[in-house]
Amino acid sequence: GDSVTQTEGLVTLTEGLPVMLNCTYQSTYSPFLFWYVQHLNEAPKLLLKSFTDNKRPEHQGFHATLHKSSSSFHLQKSSAQLSDSALYYCALSGGNYQLIWGSGTKLIIKP
Amino acid sequence: GGIITQTPKFLIGQEGQKLTLKCQQNFNHDTMYWYRQDSGKGLRLIYYSITENDLQKGDLSEGYDASREKKSSFSLTVTSAQKNEMAVFLCASSIRQGANTEVFFGKGTRLTVV
Repeated sequence: GDSVTQTEGLVTLTEGLPVMLNCTYQSTYSPFLFWYVQHLNEAPKLLLKSFTDNKRPEHQGFHATLHKSSSSFHLQKSSAQLSDSALYYCALSGGNYQLIWGSGTKLIIKP
Repeated sequence: GGIITQTPKFLIGQEGQKLTLKCQQNFNHDTMYWYRQDSGKGLRLIYYSITENDLQKGDLSEGYDASREKKSSFSLTVTSAQKNEMAVFLCASSIRQGANTEVFFGKGTRLTVV
């Protein structure tokens, strides 16, 4: 069945350094991929979603590229900010339109 | 924009107790979901509903019941609370079920069973 893997449970970085959160997936379909972000005591909300035409989605300085050859949708940002500290989920929308979620990566940005 | 309101925010129950969590959305969305959030396990789908009075089981439905009383509301019942259980339950909605559809979430109900 479909699955999403986020290998890092916790990532700690210093402000100003680049961010990369890993997301790989398995799917028998050509899925849509999403990144959701949840700040402390807030609701999860959509950060990015993949496009069908290979465009690279970007939002709030974050971007992600869907690589079908490697089944990956890593989340990147060139320079981390303190406000980026949050829980990040990668998710996949598969053949039955249900979202399959990764286990989440907690990102902590230190001054 | 809309909002998803979950009540209560915090719920403390006793072992064996039946507990009900409520969710209201004003997006006018067709599809609503209940997820359980545990640290390190991602979001696991308990129940979802694609329209009023519809109910579909998710992967984690055992031990739970749900009810979609009307389009805007979706409630979840823990049929028998398990001792020392701690989890956050997230309600969500989307305009429809679709491959590229954004899901909107509430802030969650945090359950503690003593």
